Amino acid sequence: AQTVTQSQPEMSVQEAETVTLSCTYDTSENNYYLFWYKQPPSRQMILVIRQEAYKQQNATENRFSVNFQKAAKSFSLKISDSQLGDTAMYFCAFMKGGATNKLIFGTGTLLAVQP
Amino acid sequence: DTGVSQDPRHKITKRGQNVTFRCDPISEHNRLYWYRQTLGQGPEFLTYFQNEAQLEKSRLLSDRFSAERPKGSFSTLEIQRTEQGDSAMYLCASRGFGDKSTDTQYFGPGTRLTVL
Repeated sequence: AQTVTQSQPEMSVQEAETVTLSCTYDTSENNYYLFWYKQPPSRQMILVIRQEAYKQQNATENRFSVNFQKAAKSFSLKISDSQLGDTAMYFCAFMKGGATNKLIFGTGTLLAVQP
Repeated sequence: DTGVSQDPRHKITKRGQNVTFRCDPISEHNRLYWYRQTLGQGPEFLTYFQNEAQLEKSRLLSDRFSAERPKGSFSTLEIQRTEQGDSAMYLCASRGFGDKSTDTQYFGPGTRLTVL
């Protein structure tokens, strides 16, 4: 069974600074995808960034980038130039390639961006 | 393109009552998922539909829970004889087929259930 671990329950960063959220996962699969989702307070979950396991190049979306270390089964999220609107719960998620493709989530990291 | 919608957004019920939630996926998304999220936890998978067929159910989905997706469009999740442990946020997500983002699930705002 696959598991996803986020070891940082809470983090804080000053506005305009950079922060890295950690995520590790456990799987024996070769075909899979990894995601970071953001869930602002009382708002719906939205996709931040996704990574296909077969791609060596790390995904980047504007201020968000990942450090994907396949051998180490590590998938960290870096947020550059943090903004107040980045305050949210961040979930790392794993999806096995195949029929169902259900997401397996970590327990989340609550990020607070301080002015 | 409207997003995933869920109704109601909040539901308060007494223990033992039945409740039903509705999810309308993004149009033409043929895959639909239900998840449950309790306070301080990440969402947990409940069940998956491809078109109208329910292809997978989690062990979390006890026999008091039933989900349907008639005609492969909207879906309903019913909980019978609710218990206080059913209090949670119920999230719906949909996923398309045949475009470049077919590995991405798009989430609705959720239905928050409180069982008194």
